[in-house]
Amino acid sequence: DQQVKQNSPSLSVQEGRISILNCDYTNSMFDYFLWYKKYPAEGPTFLISISSIKDKNEDGRFTVFLNKSAKHLSLHIVPSQPGDSAVYFCAASAYAGNMLTFGGGTRLMVKP
Amino acid sequence: ETGVTQSPTHLIKTRGQQVTLRCSSQSGHNTVSWYQQALGQGPQFIFQYYREEENGRGNFPPRFSGLQFPNYSSELNVNALELDDSALYLCASSSGGGGETQYFGPGTRLLVL
Repeated sequence: DQQVKQNSPSLSVQEGRISILNCDYTNSMFDYFLWYKKYPAEGPTFLISISSIKDKNEDGRFTVFLNKSAKHLSLHIVPSQPGDSAVYFCAASAYAGNMLTFGGGTRLMVKP
Repeated sequence: ETGVTQSPTHLIKTRGQQVTLRCSSQSGHNTVSWYQQALGQGPQFIFQYYREEENGRGNFPPRFSGLQFPNYSSELNVNALELDDSALYLCASSSGGGGETQYFGPGTRLLVL
């Protein structure tokens, strides 16, 4: 039973355009959501997070949107750069919870 | 500020053996979580240690055990290794013992033959 799903295993975009990565969840107890980026042979790197009391959080080129009614979040990267090419994981945790539940990841390829 | 470090980077073991993986948490963090990432999948939560006590456990058998030391570093021990234990083992540190942002180390790649 996958509580966090990333339905697109891969995404290819042109440099300078917007990348939109999507994530769906089923557990209504989740109230904190995170995006991580992972390069091969490295651990996941924290990118951005959002609490369930918000519907948007921005940090530079990265914006995360949360739609609680649809149990859906998305990560927007604008403009996309070749260095953004990596696997992106969304993760979720419940209030006072101690575990992160991860999606299966989306491989983003940004073409020059 | 020192980030999360893990050792060793790679390890090869045979089925039935035991392995110990180590993790040093980021400066100022008192919580360490361990995850297993199989090829092509997202990380799966094994357990978390907060102030030297186990603070939650995922769906892993008892042969996966851990420790946290007074300096908040941690060990993951796996007994009776199975072929399916081959994976990337990730350690993450955070402050507070709750579901806040966790910062990951580079991982230990374990291969069981």
